[in-house]
Amino acid sequence: GAVVSQHPSRVICKSGTSVKIECRSLDFQATTMFWYRQFPKQSLMLMATSNEGSKATYEQGVEKDKFLINHASLTLSTLTVTSAHPEDSSFYICSLQGPYNEQFFGPGTRLTVL
Amino acid sequence: QKEVEQDPGPLSVPEGAIVSLNCTYSNSAFQYFMWYRQYSRKGPELLMYTYSSGNKEDGRFTAQVDKSSKYISLFIRDSQPSDSATYLCAMSALGSGTYKYIFGTGTRLKVLA
Repeated sequence: GAVVSQHPSRVICKSGTSVKIECRSLDFQATTMFWYRQFPKQSLMLMATSNEGSKATYEQGVEKDKFLINHASLTLSTLTVTSAHPEDSSFYICSLQGPYNEQFFGPGTRLTVL
Repeated sequence: QKEVEQDPGPLSVPEGAIVSLNCTYSNSAFQYFMWYRQYSRKGPELLMYTYSSGNKEDGRFTAQVDKSSKYISLFIRDSQPSDSATYLCAMSALGSGTYKYIFGTGTRLKVLA
């Protein structure tokens, strides 16, 4: 299957700062990538779907201006959490849509906002 | 009614047992079915992928799909303590030109040594 990396794996920041999370596809050209957040012992919550070269499609209730997604190439999508607050602390996971419409996930990024 | 129902567990079994994990779904449009394993604080790992009714086997894992009953299962043979994780079912369907994915809430499995 496709290999997906995320960077950083863990980040701690002060309230009000912005944090950028990178999601890279190492061996597959991903037209479609997804961003999820996951709270402890809960399931995945889809935040947005990002298509290379076009604007991301956000799920209902997800603030576009707060969670900026850029899918500039077939191997890179970024999620920027702007003006982060403690309630944004979570586990953020990206994935890509594979050749048979399966999803391959990255290892996740743990964000802690103080 | 949720589109996908999955028992959250936890499910505890002794080492070597056969584990059965299940999901039911309501949307007959789902075409692709997946099982993921997620260890704590890690991203989900794709275990099995199927698109037709019937069984698919890969090592100790068998995925079963029954589209007529809208029921999918994952069987783990000779379970090991390293299989202790949360298992997520997922399914997808094509809608409005893009694929829509639905994930189960996950079943926590503990395999006791």
